Amino acid sequence: ETGVTQTPRHLVMGMTNKKSLKCEQHLGHNAMYWYKQSAKKPLELMFVYNFKEQTENNSVPSRFSPECPNSSHLFLHLHTLQPEDSALYLCASSQELRGTRNEQFFGPGTRLTVL
Amino acid sequence: AQSVTQLDSHVSVSEGTPVLLRCNYSSSYSPSLFWYVQHPNKGLQLLLKYTSAATLVKGINGFEAEFKKSETSFHLTKPSAHMSDAAEYFCVVSDMNRDDKIIFGKGTRLHILP
Repeated sequence: ETGVTQTPRHLVMGMTNKKSLKCEQHLGHNAMYWYKQSAKKPLELMFVYNFKEQTENNSVPSRFSPECPNSSHLFLHLHTLQPEDSALYLCASSQELRGTRNEQFFGPGTRLTVL
Repeated sequence: AQSVTQLDSHVSVSEGTPVLLRCNYSSSYSPSLFWYVQHPNKGLQLLLKYTSAATLVKGINGFEAEFKKSETSFHLTKPSAHMSDAAEYFCVVSDMNRDDKIIFGKGTRLHILP
C-alpha cells in the first residue's frame, strides 16, 4: 500500500471509552502531523513530530495523547472525549519539517463521532 | 508572522467556464505556497506548490497558480471547469527556512453548475 493510510476510517465512541487512531506512511518521510477538521471551522493543527520527536503541541487537551514510535507510524490515543471532539481527524506526513520538501501528504482521515 | 486569506468561502461556476479561487498571504520572508483540494469524505490532496522558482506554477488536473509578490497573491485558476472539480480548496503558506508554522486558509467551496 502506498501513501498515507489511516485506520479506522470511522469510529463511534462513548465519552468514557478509550480508543486509538492509527496513521502509517509509506513514503519514507520524517515529519508527521495530526489535524482536526470540524464542520465550519478551519483546519486545526494538533501535533507535529519530526524524526519521532514531538516538535509542536497546539494547546491540545490532555484527553488527546499522541505517540510516534517510529518515523512511519503515528497514533492518537483518545480517552474521556467530549461530543465537541467529533470531527474528521487527518494525518499527514512530509519529507522535511521545513525547507523545500515540506509539502504534506494527507491520509483519508478518521471520522470520529463522540456520543 | 504569516497569514493566509481566502477571499471567498463559496464560488460557483458553470461547467466549461474558467475558475478563479483567490488567495492572499502575508509573510515576512520567502514563503512556500500551496494549494490543496479536498473532495467529500476524503483527505487533502496537493494540487501545486510554489517555492521561489517560476512564478507560474502548473499543477494537476489542469490547475495553475501565479505568485505575485507585489500583490501578495497566489490565486488558483483553471481555464475550463469540470464537474469533478467540485470540492473544497485550501491555500497554505509557510516560511521555508523559519520556525513559523504552516498556515491553512479557511477554504473555498467550489460548486460546478451543469
